Amino acid sequence: DTAVSQTPKYLVTQMGNDKSIKCEQNLGHDTMYWYKQDSKKFLKIMFSYNNKELIINETVPNRFSPKSPDKAHLNLHINSLELGDSAVYFCASSQDFRGRMNTEAFFGQGTRLTVV
Amino acid sequence: QQPVQSPQAVILREGEDAVINCSSSKALYSVHWYRQKHGEAPVFLMILLKGGEQKGHEKISASFNEKKQQSSLYLTASQLSYSGTYFCGTENQAGTALIFGKGTTLSVSS
Repeated sequence: DTAVSQTPKYLVTQMGNDKSIKCEQNLGHDTMYWYKQDSKKFLKIMFSYNNKELIINETVPNRFSPKSPDKAHLNLHINSLELGDSAVYFCASSQDFRGRMNTEAFFGQGTRLTVV
Repeated sequence: QQPVQSPQAVILREGEDAVINCSSSKALYSVHWYRQKHGEAPVFLMILLKGGEQKGHEKISASFNEKKQQSSLYLTASQLSYSGTYFCGTENQAGTALIFGKGTTLSVSS
C-alpha cells in the first residue's frame, strides 16, 4: 500500500483554468503538507494542516487553497492558473509533533503541473 | 530563514567519501536530512535532535553542533545508489513545518 498518494501524477492545463490535486495518506498521521518544487529543485512549504486545521500559510497567492475533508486527505485547489505555477507539487504527512518536528515526513510521488 | 547547504554539488567516484554541510542563522531544535532521486519524492534519511538523539538509517551518519547551529551529513564509501539531491530541513519559526535548504546534488560514477 502506498503511504501517501497523489493524483494526478501529471497535469497539463491552459492558463486561466482551475485545477485540483488530490492527496491521501493511510498512515494515520495528524499533519499533512503541500510543498512546491520549482525547476531549480527548491522545495518550498506552502501549507500544512493539523487535524483539519490550517496551521501555517506561507506567502502563497490566494489562488491556492488547501481543502481537507478529513485528516487523511488534503487537496490543493488552484484558481486562474498562471505560467509561473508550473512546478512539481508534493504532498507529505507526518505524525503530530506537538509543536516540534521530531518525526519523519512521508512524501507523495509528486504532481508535475505544466501550465501552457 | 532557510538553512544554507554546502557544497551545491559534489562529484565522486565509487568508494570515495563526501560531507554535506547545513547551517542556520537561528537556534535549532532539530535538523532533518532527505534524499531525492531524479523524478522521485524526497525520502527520509535522518533526524538529529537537540540533546544528541538521532533517528534514522544506521548506514547514514551525521553530526549536529547545536552551538554552531550546524549539521553535517557524512557519506562514506559512496555507492552509485547514493546519487541524488540531499536536502537538509529545519523547523520554521512556529515549529510546524520543515524549511528546506536549496539542496546538494551528489553524483557518483563508477
